[in-house]
Amino acid sequence: SQKIEQNSEALNIQEGKTATLTCNYTNYSPAYLQWYRQDPGRGPVFLLLIRENEKEKRKERLKVTFDTTLKQSLFHITASQPADSATYLCALGDRGQNFVFGPGTRLSVLP
Amino acid sequence: DAGVIQSPRHEVTEMGQEVTLRCKPISGHNSLFWYRQTMMRGLELLIYFNNNVPIDDSGMPEDRFSAKMPNASFSTLKIQPSEPRDSAVYFCASSFWWDSASTDTQYFGPGTRLTVL
Repeated sequence: SQKIEQNSEALNIQEGKTATLTCNYTNYSPAYLQWYRQDPGRGPVFLLLIRENEKEKRKERLKVTFDTTLKQSLFHITASQPADSATYLCALGDRGQNFVFGPGTRLSVLP
Repeated sequence: DAGVIQSPRHEVTEMGQEVTLRCKPISGHNSLFWYRQTMMRGLELLIYFNNNVPIDDSGMPEDRFSAKMPNASFSTLKIQPSEPRDSAVYFCASSFWWDSASTDTQYFGPGTRLTVL
């Protein structure tokens, strides 16, 4: 069965450092991968999308990589700030509408 | 745009009662998704509609759950009878999907926090 894992339930880092979150998957052939941010009491918000034929995408302080051989995506937040503290979810989509979310990683950026 | 609208935001009910959750998707979107989120199970897809037609309801837990989308601007998720294990946050999301080349970027509502006593 399809399985998505995110590196850890929680990640604590110091302000200014780079946060790296991992998303691994098995038994899935995604056409694209997305990262969402979820704050407490709110719905997930779309951040970035990367397609299967792309290696890297950037948006301001965010960077996503996608390795379909390793079946892994890395999500980086550079120069992290306390305001980046949230839960980050990866989601995989195929060429139909088969769309699956990972369990999420709760990031805490400590001042 | 107002985004995805859900009501109510909070619902407290007693076991055995009927619960109806409501969702208004973003205008122009043609796909609508119902999710349930709990600490134990994360974000689970319950059902989704494309052009008002239910496409995949394999995530619906059991016959106590039903969903409808009578038109492009309104959907309901009903639980009858409700049980304490149904307590969770229920999210509605919408997107615009047209073919296999498109990507399903989903826009979520604020959620309904359901507590069944």
